[in-house]
Parts: sequence; C-alpha cells; structure tokens
Amino acid sequence: NAGVTQTPKFRILKIGQSMTLQCTQDMNHNYMYWYRQDPGMGLKLIYYSVGAGITDKGEVPNGYNVSRSTTEDFPLRLELAAPSQTSVYFCASSYGVRDHNSPLHFGNGTRLTVT
Amino acid sequence: KNEVEQSPQNLTAQEGEFITINCSYSVGISALHWLQQHPGGGIVSLFMLSSGKKKHGRLIATINIQEKHSSLHITASHPRDSAVYICAVRSGWMDSNYQLIWGAGTKLIIKP
Repeated sequence: NAGVTQTPKFRILKIGQSMTLQCTQDMNHNYMYWYRQDPGMGLKLIYYSVGAGITDKGEVPNGYNVSRSTTEDFPLRLELAAPSQTSVYFCASSYGVRDHNSPLHFGNGTRLTVT
Repeated sequence: KNEVEQSPQNLTAQEGEFITINCSYSVGISALHWLQQHPGGGIVSLFMLSSGKKKHGRLIATINIQEKHSSLHITASHPRDSAVYICAVRSGWMDSNYQLIWGAGTKLIIKP
C-alpha cells in the first residue's frame, strides 16, 4: 500500500491565484482530514470527511473548499490565495474514530507559500 | 490555559538515555494519540490509547485517565529518535466528535 499520497510537495502561489492540493489513500479508510501547520505551531483541522459525499468544516475552514466524490480522494481547494494561507498542509486518514486500534495515517505534506 | 499541555518543550539528551515526554490534558477524553514528526516534516502515528500501556519496540506509552496524564518513554535512545513528539486527544465519546485537540509538541534531540 502507498498509504496517503499528497501532491504537490511544494508550491508557490501569487496572491489571488487558486490551486488544488491532491490527497489520495489506498487503505479504504472512511475518515479523511486536512490539517495546516504554521511554523512552530500545532496542527489545525481545516476540513474533514467521514465518507464519500460527506464533508464538514473543522477549526479553520475559511478560504478553503473540499469534496469527497470517492472513498480514495479528498482534494483541498484554495480560492483566491492569501499570504495567511502560507503553511504546510497535511492530509490524513483513518479507518474509524471509535476504533482504538485505528491510528491516523499522514501524507508527507505540501509546503505552500503565497507571495 | 491550553487543553493539552506537553512537557518539556525541548529536550536534549545523550544517546542511550531513557527519555520521558509528558502530556497532560484538562478535558474528558476517549482516546489519546502520540505522533512523531520527523525533521523533514513527515508525521507518523506512534500510539493510540484509551487506557493502560502500549509498547512498540523501544517506545512505551502510558495513560492515567484519572490523573488526565500520559507519558511517552523511549528506552536506549538513539540519534534517529530526534524528532518532534506530539500528543493529541479526542475529547468525549460522541461519534460526531472528530476533532483532535493538539499539544504543541516536544522537540527531542539525541546527541551521539
């Protein structure tokens, strides 16, 4: 299994541009998450999904959109990029929430700079 | 006050030393995660536990629900253990509670 695959690894955007961060997992996990990590800070949840067709806002959803058309894919869309969105973005997945043997699996991250 | 507090923030030790990283939380939880973030940025889940103790190789995680405290221990530490160790908790038992509360991390450096 490849696990959780994120692309791209790095990206520089100009203010006002838009882009999609791709995330795919091959573990048949129901739950998928998008986090951002600012320098020296902990992870903050942007959006999450509990299954195909179901998404919901996390702690910091403004400026982002997601979709979950399949179990495998959970892309994150940035519209009108702003410097405040400069961060490292992590996609994660897990089989369940209540299953205590179900850890989080993370992608390698996307380092985004908005200038 | 943060709901999840880790200590110490930074820890430097010599190779071979026994390492303890602490995590205290102020909310009722259903599960606690320990994760490792490598210097390159990748995040790996180490443990997910709701009671007792778990062991994997040289890593041991314990949790005391009554005291709202968890510890991560590393035996026979090695320079490759150098990383940021993160504690995160899922509060409550509701199925709708998908959010984790994250600690700020403990940066561990093991010197050869």
